[in-house]
Amino acid sequence: ETGVTQTPRHLVMGMTNKKSLKCEQHLGHNAMYWYKQSAKKPLELMFVYSLEERVENNSVPSRFSPECPNSSHLFLHLHTLQPEDSALYLCASSPQSGVTPYNEQFFGPGTRLTVL
Amino acid sequence: RKEVEQDPGPFNVPEGATVAFNCTYSNSASQSFFWYRQDCRKEPKLLMSVYSSGNEDGRFTAQLNRASQYISLLIRDSKLSDSATYLCVVNLWRGTSYGKLTFGQGTILTVHP
Repeated sequence: ETGVTQTPRHLVMGMTNKKSLKCEQHLGHNAMYWYKQSAKKPLELMFVYSLEERVENNSVPSRFSPECPNSSHLFLHLHTLQPEDSALYLCASSPQSGVTPYNEQFFGPGTRLTVL
Repeated sequence: RKEVEQDPGPFNVPEGATVAFNCTYSNSASQSFFWYRQDCRKEPKLLMSVYSSGNEDGRFTAQLNRASQYISLLIRDSKLSDSATYLCVVNLWRGTSYGKLTFGQGTILTVHP
């Protein structure tokens, strides 16, 4: 069992709906990430927050809006999504244990999103 | 060219076999390297980091060749429980406290009795 939880685990929404994905980490980490995993494609990094500040944004469409109110919580707000946005959305966190390229990222179980 | 390229497989091997996975990466500025494992319908989990000198963890051996931008994973004495997707991951790290990971599409391994 990882220390990163995500809710909901499954979500079906219409293109006109607004929904939010939630991620919570219980590991005392300082960086949090959103990834998208589509069928037959590699995991894609969407957003990175370090110490609650967004530090990376990989040209993600504005219909995805992240929010990091504190170092333990991360949200992904969704609105007017397209069917091609259907995917597994994974949250991850990593420690700030020194400035090293080898900090491990711990993943949550993901939210499987279907857009109708 | 894909940033991280892996043979997707699938690799189907009997228990006890030795299997090797290869991976190439395109960005020579990549700083650190990993193999993650992802079980069916589960999240990725770190299997092992890959260091320049090569490293071993039990039945698993990882190698890195920076000159060729090539990473490998060798699994000896395969177990049924090794069946999973193996993800090659590189970190385009720039001295920050967070990582910027790029994943390969994964190599599927099935170990059969």
